[in-house]
Amino acid sequence: DIVMTVSPVSLSVTPGQPASISCKSSRSLMYDGKTHLYWYLQKPGQPPQLLIYDISKRLSGVPDRFSGSGSGTDFTLEISRVEAEDVGIYYCVQGFQLPWTFGQGTTVDLK
Amino acid sequence: EVQLVESGGGLVQPGGSLRLSCAVSGFTLNTYWMSWVRQAPGKGPEWVAMISDDGSIKHYVDSLEGRLTVSRDNGKNLVFLQINNLRAEDTSRYYCVRHPVGLHAFDIWGQGTMVTVS
Repeated sequence: DIVMTVSPVSLSVTPGQPASISCKSSRSLMYDGKTHLYWYLQKPGQPPQLLIYDISKRLSGVPDRFSGSGSGTDFTLEISRVEAEDVGIYYCVQGFQLPWTFGQGTTVDLK
Repeated sequence: EVQLVESGGGLVQPGGSLRLSCAVSGFTLNTYWMSWVRQAPGKGPEWVAMISDDGSIKHYVDSLEGRLTVSRDNGKNLVFLQINNLRAEDTSRYYCVRHPVGLHAFDIWGQGTMVTVS
């Protein structure tokens, strides 16, 4: 199985400040010109919600303060200015090979 | 409104079975692949089963293969997950999820149904 490793495990951020989460996969996630790397946010008491697909494409309705980058096996999710509604657990997920696997999650809260 | 509503969870003894259901609305089920994802208390999500739009292709996580059966009834807008020989470690919230066309992702999630094995 592909292992997804995120860092940091937790992040405490002052509102209005940036945040960055790193995700590393145990193998390349590129296939047929696409890289199957996705970012999800699970807000407290809710199921995860898809934020970003194919490394850097925001789902419709996702604020532009969220951005994804990376290639190969190293990926990053950045939040330019953290807001209160951004609190939760962020997961990177690979859709390259079954079983699709989640990273262990990064918990973001506010200082 | 696009919606997935799971049911069928509950408290079950080890060795028992459950059939989870997912009622979908707001979209045409027969054009989407669907999956089940589970999440144990305090843990990250885990994909466990997938079914193609017409039900002809099924995939399972290796660790549970043999105990899971995913199925669907497109005419009734329902997706199912049968879990047999339940173990304490199967205690989780089970989510029904939709795959967006062309993406290996989950774009719509239900609220989940809790399965407790004890």
